[in-house]
Amino acid sequence: DIQMTQSPSSLSASVGDRVIITCQASQGIHNYVNWYQHKSGEAPKLLIYDGSKLEVGVPSRFSGRGSGTEFALIISSLQPEDIATYYCQHYYSVPLSFGPGTKLEIK
Amino acid sequence: QVQLEESGGAVVQPGRSLTLSCAASGFTFSSHGMHWVRQAPGKGLEWVALISNDAENIHYGDPVKGRFTISRDNSKKTLYLEMNSLRVEDTAVYYCAKDPSSGYYRYSMDVWGHGTTVSVSS
Repeated sequence: DIQMTQSPSSLSASVGDRVIITCQASQGIHNYVNWYQHKSGEAPKLLIYDGSKLEVGVPSRFSGRGSGTEFALIISSLQPEDIATYYCQHYYSVPLSFGPGTKLEIK
Repeated sequence: QVQLEESGGAVVQPGRSLTLSCAASGFTFSSHGMHWVRQAPGKGLEWVALISNDAENIHYGDPVKGRFTISRDNSKKTLYLEMNSLRVEDTAVYYCAKDPSSGYYRYSMDVWGHGTTVSVSS
């Protein structure tokens, strides 16, 4: 089974900062990674699919990059509404799995 | 608009059974694969199961394999999760999620419900 790790586990940044969350797969998975945003009390939301494609309606400050085993979610200019936990998820094979999450807070 | 609404969550004793439902609206349910994902208290998201649009492709996460059964009724636009031999560690919020594809490849979850809570406790 493929394991996904994320770093950092938590992050505190200021409004306007560039934020990078990384995700590592236990084996090469091409670009078969999605990124989700999960705000407390809400349904999770798909942000990025196929490693770098922006889901419709997601602000352009979000972007994804990477292939193989190393992936990143980038927020170009952090906004207050971005407070959430972020998860990567692979779909290279079943069972699917999520990373452990990165909790993002505003300084 | 596209909506998913889970129901059926409850407090149950270990070893008992429970069936969750997910009612879909606003899209052609029979064209899309579906997933169940759960989140235990204080933990991250955990994928539980997927089913293709035609119910021919079904897969489970290791912790629930042999105990949980995913199914769907396309005529009722409803997804189900039958949970047997429940354990304390199955306690979680259970989300259903729509796959943008038919559920045979490139699995992702583009629309999620708000979840239903299952608590397994004696």
